[in-house]
Amino acid sequence: QSVLTQPPSASGTPGQRVTISCSGSNSNIGSNPVNWYQQLPGTAPKLLIYSNNQRPSGVPDRFSGSKPGTSASLAISGLQSEDEADYYCAAWDDSLSGYVFGTGTKVTVL
Amino acid sequence: QLQLQESGPGLVKPSETLSLTCVVSGVSISSSSYYWGWIRQPPGKGLEWIGSIYYSGGTYYNPSLKSRVTISVDTSKNQFSLKLNSVTAADTAVYYCGRPFWSGSHYYFDYWGQGTLVTVSS
Repeated sequence: QSVLTQPPSASGTPGQRVTISCSGSNSNIGSNPVNWYQQLPGTAPKLLIYSNNQRPSGVPDRFSGSKPGTSASLAISGLQSEDEADYYCAAWDDSLSGYVFGTGTKVTVL
Repeated sequence: QLQLQESGPGLVKPSETLSLTCVVSGVSISSSSYYWGWIRQPPGKGLEWIGSIYYSGGTYYNPSLKSRVTISVDTSKNQFSLKLNSVTAADTAVYYCGRPFWSGSHYYFDYWGQGTLVTVSS
């Protein structure tokens, strides 16, 4: 089972700002950088945010990440229909000596 | 441009061994100081990290799968492989290979294969 907890769903209308939370512990988010992945329907996950708040080349600046303490957040500003996807947080866990993913959040554009 | 492609049987019988290969193109496994790894996703569920291997052979496995998993590298074929033994229906999933960037505490998958569905059934 996942050690990082996310809300199962989030939604918004086009243009709105949506925020997704990711709750962990001192051994993962509290000690290591957080990454976020976007998984469009029927496709492989894609790296969206790495090292808490860095965007890979090609990722729009509408996506931003933050990490206050043992939790992290992904914000999507100016929500667009193509943002409808599943989003996963992830981090290295020092206690497990492994990489852990969040439970995932399905974002719906109303 | 780095690309990864998984291949292997789509159907495995319970108690047998699941074997998958990931062919890497665009970079030589033996000449690059990179890690390589596997992730899986049961149908309709979330992602689970299986493990990673360094190009020279050092491995790191998910503790919950460690007793059944082996990841290896074949530099002559520029590919790496996954073996999962004693499979059950719970191992039915889409299996992804990927390249994790790892430096200090920074670890993330920046390249992914398209994934391959493996079903465990008699």
